[in-house]
Amino acid sequence: AQKITQTQPGMFVQEKEAVTLDCTYDTSDPSYGLFWYKQPSSGEMIFLIYQGSYDQQNATEGRYSLNFQKARKSANLVISASQLGDSAMYFCAMREGDNFNKFYFGSGTKLNVKP
Amino acid sequence: SAVISQKPSRDICQRGTSLTIQCQVDSQVTMMFWYRQQPGQSLTLIATANQGSEATYESGFVIDKFPISRPNLTFSTLTVSNMSPEDSSIYLCSGLTGLNTGELFFGEGSRLTVL
Repeated sequence: AQKITQTQPGMFVQEKEAVTLDCTYDTSDPSYGLFWYKQPSSGEMIFLIYQGSYDQQNATEGRYSLNFQKARKSANLVISASQLGDSAMYFCAMREGDNFNKFYFGSGTKLNVKP
Repeated sequence: SAVISQKPSRDICQRGTSLTIQCQVDSQVTMMFWYRQQPGQSLTLIATANQGSEATYESGFVIDKFPISRPNLTFSTLTVSNMSPEDSSIYLCSGLTGLNTGELFFGEGSRLTVL
């Protein structure tokens, strides 16, 4: 089974609107971390936000927030007030337990922000 | 956040040649990894770069094809040997600091095109 599933290959959003990028995960380890990365066309991977499995509150970082629904095993990324510079690929990732060499990445969602 | 720089940022190579990618990290980084991202795909871990010893390769990757060195804590190289067009990818150096949330930091990526 896929560890990380991103079901939206591509998304469009109007500038200044909010957008939600979906991510579901699969693990039986009670301790895990969930991450979102942004990859612009330049290729660099930029860390956006982190959610730990034991965190009680949803993570937020500026315009990014993570809608963490543990029972559903989902970790959706919400970008508020979209900007043109948000156009990029977005990858959801998971690290299980303390396996630091085991990051599982989803297939990515390409976000296009329209002016 | 950790600073990771790699070079070259991009190159066009001829079939049958080899290319070495260099990665320099700051002193916060404890573990270093090399990832491959084939066109339109997600990230795949090639290997963990171990200081002063042989790298730990993931299934499907072998030392003869992807020799890796890490002579000290802050420097690593990845060589892509005897290249074919199937090796055209973005190669990403990444590192963990062991601090905070344990997120992976990435270099800018090296985009290789093999003709």
